[in-house]
Amino acid sequence: GDSVTQMEGPVTLSEEAFLTINCTYTATGYPSLFWYVQYPGEGLQLLLKATKADDKGSNKGFEATYRKETTSFHLEKGSVQVSDSAVYFCALSVHNDMRFGAGTRLTVKP
Amino acid sequence: GAVVSQHPSRVICKSGTSVKIECRSLDFQATTMFWYRQFPKKSLMLMATSNEGSKATYEQGVEKDKFLINHASLTLSTLTVTSAHPEDSSFYICSAREPLMPTILGETQYFGPGTRLLVL
Repeated sequence: GDSVTQMEGPVTLSEEAFLTINCTYTATGYPSLFWYVQYPGEGLQLLLKATKADDKGSNKGFEATYRKETTSFHLEKGSVQVSDSAVYFCALSVHNDMRFGAGTRLTVKP
Repeated sequence: GAVVSQHPSRVICKSGTSVKIECRSLDFQATTMFWYRQFPKKSLMLMATSNEGSKATYEQGVEKDKFLINHASLTLSTLTVTSAHPEDSSFYICSAREPLMPTILGETQYFGPGTRLLVL
């Protein structure tokens, strides 16, 4: 079945460090891909998305490119801030069904 | 933006009792709501899809009689965990889909803050 695998955390970085969170997927159809972020005590928020191969989603300095050849959608940010500390979920959607990765907890230290 | 609330945010109950969790879309009408369960360090697992005015569609392996879902109005869906046991302890998250938003799949889902259930 459809599934998402993302790198296990937790990830701890210093402020202004480069961030990569790996995400790969398996899907029978042609999925849309998403990154959601969950700040402490809050619900999931859509961070960015891509709906077709080679699309790049971007928001708040985060980027991810839909790579069909490697079935990947890695999340990157060039310079993280303390306020980026949260749990990040990679997800796919095929036929209105969403599948999430396990989540990666990011902690950014000053 | 669209807001989804859940109540309660945290509940502790004794084994054998039933617990009701509410999911509300505060500023939009949601014809479809989803219920997820999140295990520690695990993915969010879709439990069921709740459609207003009709029976919920459950995912394989989810007990319908155990997890009762009622979507009685366009702004409210409830999940009742019946005869709860310690293994039902988990984090339950709902989401709601706003039908008038762009139809890119998944984008229109708005998530609640989750309800942490602890069954003693």
